[in-house]
Parts: sequence; structure tokens; C-alpha cells
Amino acid sequence: EAQVTQNPRYLITVTGKKLTVTCSQNMNHEYMSWYRQDPGLGLRQIYYSMNVEVTDKGDVPEGYKVSRKEKRNFPLILESPSPNQTSLYFCASSLTSGGLSEQFFGPGTRLTVL
Amino acid sequence: EDQVTQSPEALRLQEGESSSLNCSYTVSGLRGLFWYRQDPGKGPEFLFTLYSAGEEKEKERLKATLTKKESFLHITAPKPEDSATYLCAVQAGTNAGKSTFGDGTTLTVKP
Repeated sequence: EAQVTQNPRYLITVTGKKLTVTCSQNMNHEYMSWYRQDPGLGLRQIYYSMNVEVTDKGDVPEGYKVSRKEKRNFPLILESPSPNQTSLYFCASSLTSGGLSEQFFGPGTRLTVL
Repeated sequence: EDQVTQSPEALRLQEGESSSLNCSYTVSGLRGLFWYRQDPGKGPEFLFTLYSAGEEKEKERLKATLTKKESFLHITAPKPEDSATYLCAVQAGTNAGKSTFGDGTTLTVKP
């Protein structure tokens, strides 16, 4: 089944404890992206990747890191999480490197930072 | 900076009562406008892509249209299963990977 998977789905952590949220897609998509969604708001783009080893900042990159060493994986790293990073996170992938084809979204990771 | 504004924030309809959702945008060089549906606790699901003013796309009870300033998602004779949040997103300019989403319209259809 073609899909985007994220792990973990739920995570409660404490301020300053490094964490990684994994994202993997099995559709051989070139483009991948991370978003956060806060109550009543749409998705805000954190980082995106046009292809392996190519990443760029979205609108809200502060406090996050990403890497794209393999085409299928695009982990999101919070090196020192803070309470304002409590949010619902979505990973997405798209067939073309321009991202102009539709994005397929993962199920989301609900993160709480205490 | 690209801006996307969706209205209304929330819309309550009776089953069968047709209506429209609005997505207005301010961008430099629209490359594509996307509509997604999001059910509670789930990731968005793709509905339509529109590329140029005058373009229209249809799928079941949904029809999306695009002008130079806004897009409409028309819902004809909605059913309770159409209840969801509808998100609009744009890609514009020379930054090919950047996507800007609106805050969404939450649609509730009562039987």
C-alpha cells in the first residue's frame, strides 16, 4: 500500500530532551516536507526537501533540523524541545521535486513538550 | 510573502443545502492552488489542483474554480459525510518547494 508513515504517533517529552520524529514514504517520491498544525490554524511548513541531500527552510524552521540521506526517509529532529513546539506534526511527500503534484500526508505525530 | 485567507472559518449546512467555500490569495506568480480535505485527527487528503484562472475541476459533489485572486470550492447537495475541514494551499514564485496553507474552513453538514 502506498503510504507515508510517521513514528511515533504520540509523544510526551520534557523541555530540552532531544527527540527525532521519523517519516518514511514507499512511493519513490522526490519531494518531502514537514508541517506543524496548531489549533484553529492551517499547516505551516517547517522544512522541505526537493531530493536526497537537498533541504530548505519553510516558514517556521527555528528549533528544528532535518536531513535527507535516503530518498524514502526524512526525519525531523528537535535538539532542545521547548513547550512552544507542542503541536501536531505532519510529514508529506510528492512525486515531483517541484512539489507541484499533490502531496500525500502521513497520519500525524502529536507532540507534547512539558 | 505569500498569503492565503479562507472564509468562512466554519460553515454549518443542512443536508442538501448547497454552498461555497472561499480561498483568497496574494502571491507573486501562482504556480498551483490545491484543495485538501482533513478529517479530525488525520492528515489532509488531496482533492484538486488548479493552475490557471478560469480552470474548473469536479469530483462528485465538489467543484473547484479559480480566478486571479481567489478560488471557490462549491459543494452541491452536501451529505453528512462531507463534514470535514477543507484546506487551501498555494505554491508560487521561484521557490518551487514552498507551500503556504490557509487556516481552513470547517464544514458541518447536519442530516
